[in-house]
Amino acid sequence: EPEVTQTPSHQVTQMGQEVILRCVPISNHLYFYWYRQILGQKVEFLVSFYNNEISEKSEIFDDQFSVERPDGSNFTLKIRSTKLEDSAMYFCASTFYNEQFFGPGTRLTVL
Amino acid sequence: ELKVEQNPLFLSMQEGKNYTIYCNYSTTSDRLYWYRQDPGKSLESLFVLLSNGAVKQEGRLMASLDTKARLSTLHITAAVHDLSATYFCAVDPSSNYGGSQGNLIFGKGTKLSVKP
Repeated sequence: EPEVTQTPSHQVTQMGQEVILRCVPISNHLYFYWYRQILGQKVEFLVSFYNNEISEKSEIFDDQFSVERPDGSNFTLKIRSTKLEDSAMYFCASTFYNEQFFGPGTRLTVL
Repeated sequence: ELKVEQNPLFLSMQEGKNYTIYCNYSTTSDRLYWYRQDPGKSLESLFVLLSNGAVKQEGRLMASLDTKARLSTLHITAAVHDLSATYFCAVDPSSNYGGSQGNLIFGKGTKLSVKP
């Protein structure tokens, strides 16, 4: 069964460093998303991506964040200068019609 | 701003008992999702509810949607330990405009613990 994959599973970085989180959505899906979940809290929408451009973004998704689909399969989230409060689980998701499938997540720890 | 509220946030049940988790939301939407999350794991899709009156069942779980009341319920029948997890409901607010962008707004989750 096709699934969303994400790498790395865990990323540790120093405050101020840039990180890139990678996702491979399910191949025939058209919409892609990034969400984050701070430990013990609810899942929060960051950004949606369709037809090679951002379709919507939340207030969390400020100038420090960017997304890209550099080739036909990968979908990346870049955080330019990480802050302590960026520590969270980051989930990639994709959807074809109505059901949204989530990847296993990348745990980002900012020290 | 769309708000999604779940209750209870914590639920401790005994095996064999029944219970219902409630999900209220603050704007009209006809697309509601239930997910299960085990500790440290991703979100597993349980139910996709796409219209008023939709009811879906899988095993000991049954979900329903009342769009007029802006309420969804997740009913647990004869709970077993394996159901212990956190359950999230999520609403797609963009469904009011036809095509869905799927920018899901999640509730805080209900942490379910089923004890023998």
